[in-house]
Amino acid sequence: AQSVSQHNHHVILSEAASLELGCNYSYGGTVNLFWYVQYPGQHLQLLLKYFSGDPLVKGIKGFEAEFIKSKFSFNLRKPSVQWSDTAEYFCAVNTNAGKSTFGDGTTLTVKP
Amino acid sequence: DAGVIQSPRHEVTEMGQEVTLRCKPISGHDYLFWYRQTMMRGLELLIYFNNNVPIDDSGMPEDRFSAKMPNASFSTLKIQPSEPRDSAVYFCASSLRWDKGYTFGSGTRLTVV
Repeated sequence: AQSVSQHNHHVILSEAASLELGCNYSYGGTVNLFWYVQYPGQHLQLLLKYFSGDPLVKGIKGFEAEFIKSKFSFNLRKPSVQWSDTAEYFCAVNTNAGKSTFGDGTTLTVKP
Repeated sequence: DAGVIQSPRHEVTEMGQEVTLRCKPISGHDYLFWYRQTMMRGLELLIYFNNNVPIDDSGMPEDRFSAKMPNASFSTLKIQPSEPRDSAVYFCASSLRWDKGYTFGSGTRLTVV
């Protein structure tokens, strides 16, 4: 069975700092990869996704993620964070089994 | 499309009472998922359906929990009897295909006192 590991449980940054959240998965076959964001008190929303092709995918609000197959990684990045990016971020992997496996989430706090 | 619709948004009930949570997925989505989120345990998959058929219910905590999907546009999650440890936010999500992302509903915040 696949698993997803998010190494950072809580990240604290100042506004304008660069962000990178780690995500590693364990599965040897073809995967679809996702990042979701959950703003305080809200539901999860899809931030970006990777299916195939260019391993660098761009999502909403200036976020991007890079799929590195050899490292089984799908790290999320943003060059300059804003206070409004304060949220919890979830990485998820989907094989052909119908359901996604979610990581435990990383809480990002951006200080103004 | 109105998205995934859950009701009620908030539910406060007494221990021992029956609780029914409702979900209307996005029209045309073949997959429906029920998740529970708490501070202690994070996001847990309870059960999911494909074309109205339960596929994996291994995450359902115990026999007090049951879920149904009588048709493509409606699903329920029932807890009977409810206990304080069931207090959580319950999310429903739907997906067009296994390789598509999920659309989550706004959740039901359940408090059992």
